[in-house]
Amino acid sequence: AQKITQTQPGMFVQEKEAVTLDCTYDTSDQSYGLFWYKQPSSGEMIFLIYQGSYDEQNATEGRYSLNFQKARKSANLVISASQLGDSAMYFCAMSPIKAAGNKLTFGGGTRVLVKP
Amino acid sequence: NAGVTQTPKFRILKIGQSMTLQCTQDMNHNYMYWYRQDPGMGLKLIYYSVGAGITDKGEVPNGYNVSRSTTEDFPLRLELAAPSQTSVYFCASSYRARGRVGANVLTFGAGSRLTVL
Repeated sequence: AQKITQTQPGMFVQEKEAVTLDCTYDTSDQSYGLFWYKQPSSGEMIFLIYQGSYDEQNATEGRYSLNFQKARKSANLVISASQLGDSAMYFCAMSPIKAAGNKLTFGGGTRVLVKP
Repeated sequence: NAGVTQTPKFRILKIGQSMTLQCTQDMNHNYMYWYRQDPGMGLKLIYYSVGAGITDKGEVPNGYNVSRSTTEDFPLRLELAAPSQTSVYFCASSYRARGRVGANVLTFGAGSRLTVL
């Protein structure tokens, strides 16, 4: 079984500053993938970034970076230079890496509000 | 390119009624999924499919049924609706991310908000 824990229910961040969203996970799988999704108030789920457990380097996608610490089982999302449009719910998720599809397990989410 | 399309967007059901949430994708993805999201919570997997004719249960399958007769369509059937099924339902499909062995990035539909009264 897999479990994702996001301990920050909500956060405020000043526009143009960086923010770190915490995510810890638990799994017995040797190979797994970690994902972050954004859910704005409109409700859609938007993929942000992916990290494989076998990746030696931390993933980056534009203003998003993933601080992956395998020994600590953490996969924190860092958003640099926050923008007003970054206000949303953010979900950390993981899945085992298998041939027949990946079934994501989601955390409870962190709500981010960017202040002007 | 429509991506993943879900219908209806909103629906109110009475207890005991049945309905089908429709989901179709035009990206030729093999894998499709149904999730539910309760208020203030993360998503939970209901059912998934790895290809036409193949479906399997997720974390919370009770009260639901699915079928996958084509690659494009993955309807979710609710039988005997109960208030506990009030939720937002998301359909998703997935592909293997470029250059990332084992990564299946899910593309989600816009969601269907269901209320059971």
